Amino acid sequence: EVQLVESGGGLIQPGGSLRLSCAASGFTVSSNYMSWVRQAPGKGLEWVSVIYSGGSTYYADSVKGRFTISRDNSKNTLYLQMNSLRAEDTAVYYCARDQGQQPNSWFDPWGQGTLVTVSS
Amino acid sequence: QSVLTQPPSVSGAPGQRVTISCTGSSSNIGAGYDVHWYQQLPGTAPKLLIYGNSNRPSGVPDRFSGSKSGTSASLAITGLQAEDEADYYCQSYDSSLRRVFGGGTKLTVL
Repeated sequence: EVQLVESGGGLIQPGGSLRLSCAASGFTVSSNYMSWVRQAPGKGLEWVSVIYSGGSTYYADSVKGRFTISRDNSKNTLYLQMNSLRAEDTAVYYCARDQGQQPNSWFDPWGQGTLVTVSS
Repeated sequence: QSVLTQPPSVSGAPGQRVTISCTGSSSNIGAGYDVHWYQQLPGTAPKLLIYGNSNRPSGVPDRFSGSKSGTSASLAITGLQAEDEADYYCQSYDSSLRRVFGGGTKLTVL
């Protein structure tokens, strides 16, 4: 069964750092494009970052320079390193697999999400 | 402000047909990029509903259909059921190298 399970969320003070993990099963992370998508409380979905199978990475302007997407092929796991966190980064963070022919890809499946709360 | 524009809410009675629009621009939908739709039930992660403008993944009822024309796309739900009450999001690609979402539409089954 294809599955994604996120972890690492929690309460963090403004300016702090946090690393999210997304463990995959049923497919190989390194052979796929993988994204992070977030959803602020009561708000819509916002794409955050993508890592291509070749290793190229891209970020939304709102997180560029602060967040880093990476993967560990031996653990079949995707990561999101979040630094200089701000209150507006508070959200549920989902990892998702990019499916289909780029750039017309879609997200499937999605993980269950992990909540990040940035507050003092 | 989302790149793709959706109505905040729509509603319909059981058995009725509703449509949800998704309006973009010449840098995303109008540029020929595909539109995809997701359903998010309360308290759960989004789930793929329609991909490639009009294709249904295995397991999605044929009551759900998608279309695209020009700079817009639409999701239609026929034979509305109580379990369809959820938030719906459209998604596409923008020539600024970004994946973009609509702001979401809350469907209420009356």
